[in-house]
Amino acid sequence: GAGVSQTPSNKVTEKGKYVELRCDPISGHTALYWYRQSLGQGPEFLIYFQGTGAADDSGLPNDRFFAVRPEGSVSTLKIQRTERGDSAMYLCASREEQYFGPGTRLTVT
Amino acid sequence: AQSVTQLDSHVSVSEGTPVLLRCNYSSSYSPSLFWYVQHPNKGLQLLLKYTSAATLVKGINGFEAEFKKSETSFHLTKPSAHMSDAAEYFCVVIPYSSASKIIFGSGTRLSIRP
Repeated sequence: GAGVSQTPSNKVTEKGKYVELRCDPISGHTALYWYRQSLGQGPEFLIYFQGTGAADDSGLPNDRFFAVRPEGSVSTLKIQRTERGDSAMYLCASREEQYFGPGTRLTVT
Repeated sequence: AQSVTQLDSHVSVSEGTPVLLRCNYSSSYSPSLFWYVQHPNKGLQLLLKYTSAATLVKGINGFEAEFKKSETSFHLTKPSAHMSDAAEYFCVVIPYSSASKIIFGSGTRLSIRP
């Protein structure tokens, strides 16, 4: 595709539920990044993939967060047992120059 | 440790006047530096980038930034502000040592007065 796409654009879920957020990077980009942006703050790094493997997952806040990229293209960020503090905009970017997707706004009620 | 500091959380200028958004970085080696803009309810858009070529970098929409190693600064400027420039601006550093340690500043909200 022409750019990075993310689905869904908005997700509302109840506390304790499981959610999956999807990122389709620009075709051919091997580097993929996930960020979390809380209201009024800059994006915070979560995880970085180079190809299929997570090259750096040091930004994941705890073991409820997990991300995969099984074929080196689409990536899924998975959050288990969601908490209200997980509410944020989740951003995906590809390549080091950071072509960003529009984000998924997650709201945990 | 690498870090980036945006010195102003909010800047307000009149339309047609110059814009200056300040950014200082801390990095052990020559970093890559970027400025991004985020309009309300829109995604982040790359304005410009510095990757150790020319120290004066020109970006989109008339913005430019100058890398000053001696001052560890990468301030964003524009000669004449336009109403459409109102947005949040982020300074970003990618340390030379690691492509994954991408660090965003806390952002500067730019307001334009008519």
